[in-house]
This record gives sequence, C-alpha cells and structure tokens, in this order.
Amino acid sequence: EDQVTQSPEALRLQEGESSSLNCSYTVSGLRGLFWYRQDPGKGPEFLFTLYSAGEEKEKERLKATLTKKESFLHITAPKPEDSATYLCAVQGPAAGNKLTFGGGTRVLVKP
Amino acid sequence: SAVISQKPSRDICQRGTSLTIQCQVDSQVTMMFWYRQQPGQSLTLIATANQGSEATYESGFVIDKFPISRPNLTFSTLTVSNMSPEDSSIYLCSVEVGSRHTQYFGPGTRLTVL
Repeated sequence: EDQVTQSPEALRLQEGESSSLNCSYTVSGLRGLFWYRQDPGKGPEFLFTLYSAGEEKEKERLKATLTKKESFLHITAPKPEDSATYLCAVQGPAAGNKLTFGGGTRVLVKP
Repeated sequence: SAVISQKPSRDICQRGTSLTIQCQVDSQVTMMFWYRQQPGQSLTLIATANQGSEATYESGFVIDKFPISRPNLTFSTLTVSNMSPEDSSIYLCSVEVGSRHTQYFGPGTRLTVL
C-alpha cells in the first residue's frame, strides 16, 4: 500500500526566512509525485509534478526536488501570501490513477 | 488544466437525509474522482468515476452510501445518503488531464450534518 508522510505538520516563518518541507513516500513504482497548495475553504491548487529521482521544478519562490524516497518543497524568501497548507501526493501503478495524499504541512508566514 | 465547478458550495443538512453534489468540467475528461476531506485532515479518495462504466470504490466506501453518476464526459454527481454527523466534511471532485496524469480539483462542497 502506498504511504506518504509529510513533515513538519506546521511551520511558522518570518517573511524572508527560507525553509523546506519534507514528503517521504513508499510506493511500488512511482508514476508521479504531486505537490498542491490549499488555502482555507478552497480546493487544492496544482503546483508541480515530479517523475524521476533528480528532477527539480521551480515556480516563483517554490522549488520541488525528488529522490527515490522523498521530496522537498523549498520556499525561498517567503511572503505572507505563501501562507497555506502544502499537500504532497503520490501515484503508483498498483493503485491505478489514484492519488495517495500525505497529511499536509500548514505554513504560516508572518510579516 | 481544467476549470471545475461544484454545486452546492456548502450546505447544512439534517441527519437521515441525502445530498447530491454536482461536479461540472469545462472540457471532456475520461477520469473523474471524488475525495473526502474531514476537518483538519488530508484528502481520502472515495471513488473513481469513468464515463460508461460503474464507479470504483475505495476500501471503506460503499455504493449504497455514496452513489455516483457519470452521465457524460463533463459531469458527475456524488450523493451522500442517510447522512450522519460523521459525514460532515469537504467533498471534492477532481479530473485527470493530459498524458502525465495530473489531477485538478474543484473548489469543494462543505457539508455540515446536524
């Protein structure tokens, strides 16, 4: 069974204080690792998909990296508008097209 | 990507009643999914709904409780039947777009059962 664990559960940052979120996963044959951002009361917003170890993707202040066991979402010089819950999910061939989500990391960036 | 809408956006219901949630996509998609997000929790897949076939339910979810329709390639409904307070959650639909299997989510339906 696919498993995803995210850490930390919550992260409080000062504006401009860079940090990283961790997503550890167990899957039999990774088809894709997905990062989403979720604001309160809204559906998850797609950020990145990573497919193979060593791959990196960037978008504004966010950078996602992937190894064979984990993924990191780096937030560089965050701003208050980066405050959200960040969700990681994996897709493996054994489960068809199903996404298995981690518990999420709640990020609060204070001005 | 895809633009997805859900109706209703929120509702408050009495126990024992049923609620049908609609999901509309702005383009034709083969695979649609229904998720539940309980308060303070992450997303759990309820079922996969492909047009022209019966929905596939995950362990712990049954058709009698969560019947799903998928009449065409742009629309699906999820019914939450005989509701109890434990069904209070956000219900989300998603669609898979493109050859890289990316899922895009709707805004969600916030359900409160009294």
